[in-house]
Amino acid sequence: AQSVTQLGSHVSVSEGALVLLRCNYSSSVPPYLFWYVQYPNQGLQLLLKYTTGATLVKGINGFEAEFKKSETSFHLTKPSAHMSDAAEYFCAVSVEYGNKLVFGAGTILRVKS
Amino acid sequence: EAQVTQNPRYLITVTGKKLTVTCSQNMNHEYMSWYRQDPGLGLRQIYYSMNVEVTDKGDVPEGYKVSRKEKRNFPLILESPSPNQTSLYFCASRPAAGDSYEQYFGPGTRLTVT
Repeated sequence: AQSVTQLGSHVSVSEGALVLLRCNYSSSVPPYLFWYVQYPNQGLQLLLKYTTGATLVKGINGFEAEFKKSETSFHLTKPSAHMSDAAEYFCAVSVEYGNKLVFGAGTILRVKS
Repeated sequence: EAQVTQNPRYLITVTGKKLTVTCSQNMNHEYMSWYRQDPGLGLRQIYYSMNVEVTDKGDVPEGYKVSRKEKRNFPLILESPSPNQTSLYFCASRPAAGDSYEQYFGPGTRLTVT
């Protein structure tokens, strides 16, 4: 069965530092991959997605992710963290011809001033 | 504004009292789905629907029912809620066509069963 693993349930960075949130997936077919963000007491917002083509994907709020097939990874990065980036981040893979999103357990990002 | 709406946003109920959480989308999407979010587990799919009158189980369907009588609505029914159904619930939708299978999520319904 397909699965998504997010390394680190909590990540803490200083404001201005690099943000790196790790995501590894298992999929028997070429994956469609997503990163969603959830701000406190809010719903899920799509940050970025990979379908086909360019493996480096740019999203909103300065985030980007690189699809590496050989490593089955889709890590999320941002060069400089901002206080407003504090949230929970979810990596997900679309399976069963789009009938289901399989989510990782989530990573809570804390940004220190 | 294109959106998925859920009602209620917050609900506290008691064990065994039937409840319904409504979900509606105004984007004319064929596909709709329900997920529950629990700490440390991420989101898990409960049920999904490919179109009107077509529904199927997800990974955690036990204790839930759904119906899809209209394209825009996909209510989640808990016939006899139990405390282990205390969770944050999300409805989502997407068009049948498209190149990414991106799903659009509602704001969530926080359910507490005592």
